[in-house]
Parts: sequence; structure tokens; C-alpha cells
Amino acid sequence: EPEVTQTPSHQVTQMGQEVILRCVPISNHLYFYWYRQILGQKVEFLVSFYNNEISEKSEIFDDQFSVERPDGSNFTLKIRSTKLEDSAMYFCASSEYRGYQPQHFGDGTRLSIL
Amino acid sequence: AQTVTQSQPEMSVQEAETVTLSCTYDTSESDYYLFWYKQPPSRQMILVIRQEAYKQQNATENRFSVNFQKAAKSFSLKISDSQLGDAAMYFCAYGVGGGGADGLTFGKGTHLIIQP
Repeated sequence: EPEVTQTPSHQVTQMGQEVILRCVPISNHLYFYWYRQILGQKVEFLVSFYNNEISEKSEIFDDQFSVERPDGSNFTLKIRSTKLEDSAMYFCASSEYRGYQPQHFGDGTRLSIL
Repeated sequence: AQTVTQSQPEMSVQEAETVTLSCTYDTSESDYYLFWYKQPPSRQMILVIRQEAYKQQNATENRFSVNFQKAAKSFSLKISDSQLGDAAMYFCAYGVGGGGADGLTFGKGTHLIIQP
């Protein structure tokens, strides 16, 4: 079964540095998403991406964050000038369409800010 | 704004028994979808089951079934014949259809413990 793949599985970064999290969505999917889960808390929506532009973003997704689809397969989340509170699990997801079509999640990237 | 509430932080069940996890949600939308996701210790998010709000029939997937009560805005998950591999965090999630928001809204999760 096709999978969403995320790299790296664990990223350790110094506070203030930039980090790029990478995702390869399922190939025939059109919608892509990033979610964040701070340890012990619920999963929170960050941003959705469709047709090479942001479709929707949450309050969490401020100017520190950006997303890009640099080629036909990768989908990236960039966090500029990382802060301690950015430490979390970041999940990429994709879906064929919106709504009932379920969002398939990757295994996540654990981001640790020192 | 939509909210999803899971009132049971932790549940414990004997292996082979049946357990029900609760979820309630609040929405003013008429076209929406509900999902249960499983998150084992490895922390991947795995889709367990999904339900369209317009369908009266409750969804089932093997040992997993839901009790969808639309008027009460309740969406509980029943796991029959519990197995050790079912031990995980279970998240209830809500999504809007049509032209609504893209992102899923998750509950805080229920930690399910399976006693051998």
C-alpha cells in the first residue's frame, strides 16, 4: 500500500537555526498537510497545500513557517529561527481529495530544539 | 469553531474483551466526516475507521465499529476481541466537507491499555 514518507525521523537543531522537514506524499494525492504534536498533547493542524499554493493555514502557522513543493514529489516544511517551543512531532499527510477522503499520515519527524 | 472532546484520558481492558472509547464533537456544519486514528508507541498515525455524517449506518472495519449518534454529536469507537497490538493512543478527528476547512480537528486522545 502506498505510504507517505517523511525524513528525517529525528532532527536535533540549535535554537535560532533553520530546519527543513521533508515529505513525499502518496503519488496520486492532490492535497498535502502539515500537523504538529507537542509531546503529550493533541495533534494540531498547521497548513494545507493544493495546486502549488497554501489552501489554508492555522494561527500556529506564522511567518516563521513556510511550505514548498520544490518538485513533483517532495513537500517541505521550513521553520526559520527555531525556538524551544518548536520542539514537537511534525506529521505530513496527504489525501486524494478533501473531505471524506482520509488523510494518510507519515511516520512523523521528531524535532528537538536545544 | 469545531471542537472534539475525548473525555477518557485512559482506558484499560482485558485481552479478548470489548472496549468502547468515547468522542463528542461540536459543529454547526451539516456536511462533515469523522475519523478514528490510532497512534502506537512508535507515534505513527494510522487510520482505523471513518464515517460520513450523512450516512445513518454505522461504519465497521473488522473488529472495529462505531456508534454514530448525529443528534447527540457522539462518535464512539468499539473494539471487539481486544488484542495486545491494539494498545495505543486513539484520537477522534473531525473534518468538514464541501468548501469548509481543510485541516482535521483532533481530540486529546485516549490511551488504551490492554491487560494480558
